[in-house]
Amino acid sequence: AQSVTQLDSQVPVFEEAPVELRCNYSSSVSVYLFWYVQYPNQGLQLLLKYLSGSTLVKGINGFEAEFNKSQTSFHLRKPSVHISDTAEYFCAVSDRSGGTASKLTFGTGTRLQVTL
Amino acid sequence: KAGVTQTPRYLIKTRGQQVTLSCSPISGHRSVSWYQQTPGQGLQFLFEYFSETQRNKGNFPGRFSGRQFSNSRSEMNVSTLELGDSALYLCASSLMGTSYEQYFGPGTRLTVT
Repeated sequence: AQSVTQLDSQVPVFEEAPVELRCNYSSSVSVYLFWYVQYPNQGLQLLLKYLSGSTLVKGINGFEAEFNKSQTSFHLRKPSVHISDTAEYFCAVSDRSGGTASKLTFGTGTRLQVTL
Repeated sequence: KAGVTQTPRYLIKTRGQQVTLSCSPISGHRSVSWYQQTPGQGLQFLFEYFSETQRNKGNFPGRFSGRQFSNSRSEMNVSTLELGDSALYLCASSLMGTSYEQYFGPGTRLTVT
């Protein structure tokens, strides 16, 4: 079984400032890692994913994340945020053994609030 | 290409009733997964269907069931509704049996009174 911990439930930040949203996971097996974003009254949109290879992955909208196996972390970063980045962000993992990432285990989410 | 569509978008039911939610995946996608999102429990996996067969199941009671049709459209059913079933139900589709990217629909907001 896997579990995901998002340490911050809310992160307030000023526009154009950098931001890091933290994610730690626990699993007895190897996992795939994902970050999703949810805007109000919408479903989830995939920001980026780590499957294998380079531990630094780049996603949409200028976001990137770094996989750290020793610390079992997958923190999300953006060097300069915009008002439009205000949303809920979810970190998720999926067991590699099934060969598919259709069963996701999500963290509790981090609300990113960007203000002027 | 049309995204994942879910119907209805909003639903109000009474405790004890049953409900059926529908999900149409992106054209060509064969895998459909369902998730429940609540403020207290967050996002939880319900089940996944691939080629009309349930491939994965989460830890939900038997009142929650689903099925997938030959055109990959999926339905989930909740019988004997409880107040705690009030949630946003999200459907996600992916292209193939081995796929790492899921596309989510906007969800169905179910309120049980």
